[in-house]
Amino acid sequence: EVQLVQSGTEVRKPGESLKISCKGFGYSFGSYWIDWVRQMPGKGLEWIGIIYPGDSDTRYSPSAQGQVTISADTSSNTAYLQWNSLKASDTAMYYCARHSLNGDYSSPQDYWGQGTLVTVSS
Amino acid sequence: EIVLTQSPDTLSLSPGERATLSCRASQTISSHYLAWYQHKPGQAPRLLIYGTSNRAAGVPDRFSGSGSGTDFGLTISSLEPEDFAVYYCQQYVNSPPITFGQGTRLEIK
Repeated sequence: EVQLVQSGTEVRKPGESLKISCKGFGYSFGSYWIDWVRQMPGKGLEWIGIIYPGDSDTRYSPSAQGQVTISADTSSNTAYLQWNSLKASDTAMYYCARHSLNGDYSSPQDYWGQGTLVTVSS
Repeated sequence: EIVLTQSPDTLSLSPGERATLSCRASQTISSHYLAWYQHKPGQAPRLLIYGTSNRAAGVPDRFSGSGSGTDFGLTISSLEPEDFAVYYCQQYVNSPPITFGQGTRLEIK
């Protein structure tokens, strides 16, 4: 069974660093593109970026570029989203999601993680 | 970047009624690259429709998608209590960047 399991709720202060994770089960992790998607409080879904774990090819939305880093480790079947210096505006639920077609990012996202809630507050 | 605009923002209907949701793109999209997701509070989004009109695995046949060019729609033929949620359209033709519509909240009247 395909599953994406994300790390748990995080509470941090502005300026702190953070790395959240998304572990894949039940499929060839390195062969499918993984997205990170954000939902700020009371808002809709917003695409942050994408990675192909097999070669770490990574793309970012214009608003996320330089603000976060997406990475992946095929030895542990895990994708990561990290911040070097959090802001209060990073407070959101973050989801990882897998694209449905092997090696093709022009495909919908068929499996999603359960979400990681990140709260940034002084 | 392709902008998707959904209408209405909120739709208030009763169980058993028909729901029609719209999604308009800022430029022409191939029908292969338009999807709909259902999102309930506390849950992950769920893929409902891909390629404009193809139901994802396990999606009931009361859900149907249609459209072409810049205008797309999701229809729920007869609402069940579990269908009340937020619905998002998404394009992945220029993936990346993927874009979502702002969402339509389907609420119980």
